[in-house]
This record gives sequence, structure tokens and C-alpha cells, in this order.
Amino acid sequence: QSALTQPASVSGSPGQSITISCTGTSSDVGGYDYVSWYQQHPGKAPKLIIYDVSKRPSGVSNRFSGSKSGNTASLTISGLQAEDEADYYCSSYTSRTLRVFGGGTKLTVL
Amino acid sequence: QEQLVQSGSELKKPGASVKVSCKASGYTFTSYAIHWVRQAPGQGLEWMGWINTNTGNPTYAQGFTGRFVFSLDTSVRKAYLQISSLKAEDTAVYFCARRGDGYNKFDFWGQGTLVTVSS
Repeated sequence: QSALTQPASVSGSPGQSITISCTGTSSDVGGYDYVSWYQQHPGKAPKLIIYDVSKRPSGVSNRFSGSKSGNTASLTISGLQAEDEADYYCSSYTSRTLRVFGGGTKLTVL
Repeated sequence: QEQLVQSGSELKKPGASVKVSCKASGYTFTSYAIHWVRQAPGQGLEWMGWINTNTGNPTYAQGFTGRFVFSLDTSVRKAYLQISSLKAEDTAVYFCARRGDGYNKFDFWGQGTLVTVSS
């Protein structure tokens, strides 16, 4: 199954904002409001940080926000902190293969 | 509190089989589907499929048919992933995840099980 397209890496300084994009097609990201985002620290399980494009689970910082335009979803992290350094994955429902993940983005906090 | 706890790491020879367990606690097991996700060394997440914990009906993603089997034992609140005829390329961390109250919302994850296939 073809993964959703994410940038391999992004970086930012503490206090700055960064945005990670997740590009799919009209069969997945563009066709459904079922995009979720996961944060994964090395050696750990993924953690849900955004679901249904822009909803935050309880306990997740409001520095994390999600949006979508056409076939591209975006995760924005504001007020970057050292602890945000991790890998980030998007995921979407898809009419072709039911679920698909993005290739992942490594966030470096400078 | 909701929790998924997976079985420990496995070292297997090519051609062998492995069965990974995922034990749920803190919620009604049959109310939420369990999905399986693979992560090869240094690679991203790959969706493998899911099992309906109410009916036991499994659904497999492309590339995970034939050698991969999802099953349940609801009496002990466990989901299982069995992989047969193991190959070196099956070496990966396998995660179970609960699909919460949302169509694509994996809200709780197991800690992952490393399966290493090596002669």
C-alpha cells in the first residue's frame, strides 16, 4: 500500500512553531475527515496526538493542532519544546486499503 | 485505566512460527477493535489489519495475507498475531493498538513486541 507523503525531517528552535504536512489523495486524506497524528519517541510506542483531522485527546497539549486542505493534512506544533523532538506519523482512512500511515517525519529541536 | 500489554521479544529461525499476544485491561475488551501495526528496524509504521473483537472477524491489509493470522481469546481479554513461515524480512516490532471512539483513532497502544528472525 502506498504511504502518505510526509517530509523526512523538519527542525525548529525552542519557542518556534513548525508544521508537518501529510499529502495523500482524494481516496484517503481528501475524501474523509479521518486523519490522525501520532508522536513516537525512540524505542517507545506511538502516542495519539490528533484525530479526526483536528481533535485533541484529553491530556494532549494545546500546542498541537491539526488541519486539512484538499488532499493535504497538517500538524502544527507551537511553542516548540525539547520534549517535542520525536518522529511524527499521520494516518488516514482510505477507501482502497482501509488504513494507511505516512512515511514519518523526524522533528529536531535545535 | 486502559492498557494493552504485549508479550516479550522473540528470536526465531527462518521457517518457524511466532505468536504475539496483546492483553487488554481497564475497558470492555469486546467494545473496541484491535489493530496491528508493524515497524521494521529504522522504518515507519505499516498498518497490517484489524480484528473485530466482538465477532472475531479479521481483516488483513495487502501484503499481510496468507502467513499472518489475527485471533482472539475473549475469556482472557487477549488478541493474538501469529506469523508462520518466518522470513528475515519479518524482523520488526509489532504493535497492537485499540481503535477508540473514532474511525481512525488508535488511542491506546501496546508497548511493542520485537520479533527477530535470524539463522
